[in-house]
Amino acid sequence: GENVEQHPSTLSVQEGDSAVIKCTYSDSASNYFPWYKQELGKRPQLIIDIRSNVGEKKDQRIAVTLNKTAKHFSLHITETQPEDSAVYFCAGRMKTSYDKVIFGPGTSLSVIP
Amino acid sequence: NAGVMQNPRHLVRRRGQEARLRCSPMKGHSHVYWYRQLPEEGLKFMVYLQKENIIDESGMPKERFSAEFPKEGPSILRIQQVVRGDSAAYFCASSLGMYQETQYFGPGTRLLVL
Repeated sequence: GENVEQHPSTLSVQEGDSAVIKCTYSDSASNYFPWYKQELGKRPQLIIDIRSNVGEKKDQRIAVTLNKTAKHFSLHITETQPEDSAVYFCAGRMKTSYDKVIFGPGTSLSVIP
Repeated sequence: NAGVMQNPRHLVRRRGQEARLRCSPMKGHSHVYWYRQLPEEGLKFMVYLQKENIIDESGMPKERFSAEFPKEGPSILRIQQVVRGDSAAYFCASSLGMYQETQYFGPGTRLLVL
């Protein structure tokens, strides 16, 4: 069935260091992979997304890479700041199931000042 | 341009009562998705609707739960005879259309069943 796995489940980094979160997906036909950030008690907010026709996308301190062959994609946050602390969800759009978006279980990122 | 709206933001119900959660998508969006989030857990897909159509309800419990998105008005997620295990945050998201994948989330409704 459709599945998106995400690692690690928790991540602590020192302010200024980089953070990397990795996800894998099961549906080889998936073609759209968004990342959401959810602060405590708030709604998930889209921070970056990537489509399967590109291998990397960057937006300031955030970048996402996609390896279609291996069916995995990663979020990279450089020069982390305390306000980056949140839960991050990766997701994949499952072509085999009405194009619905399946979310990974989330990574709780803590940036230590 | 208002974002996705949900109401109520907080809802308290006693066991056995009904809960009605409403979602107004972003202007121009015709696709609505409902997700449930338990404390410190991820987002679980429940149902995907277009105007007057349920596209995929594979994530919704077969009993007590129903959803609709009428031609006019908000999408409604209805939970009948609520139980304590229904306590969660319910988020709706909307997108422009089938091939416009980006989903934008509402602020959520936090349901507490006493």
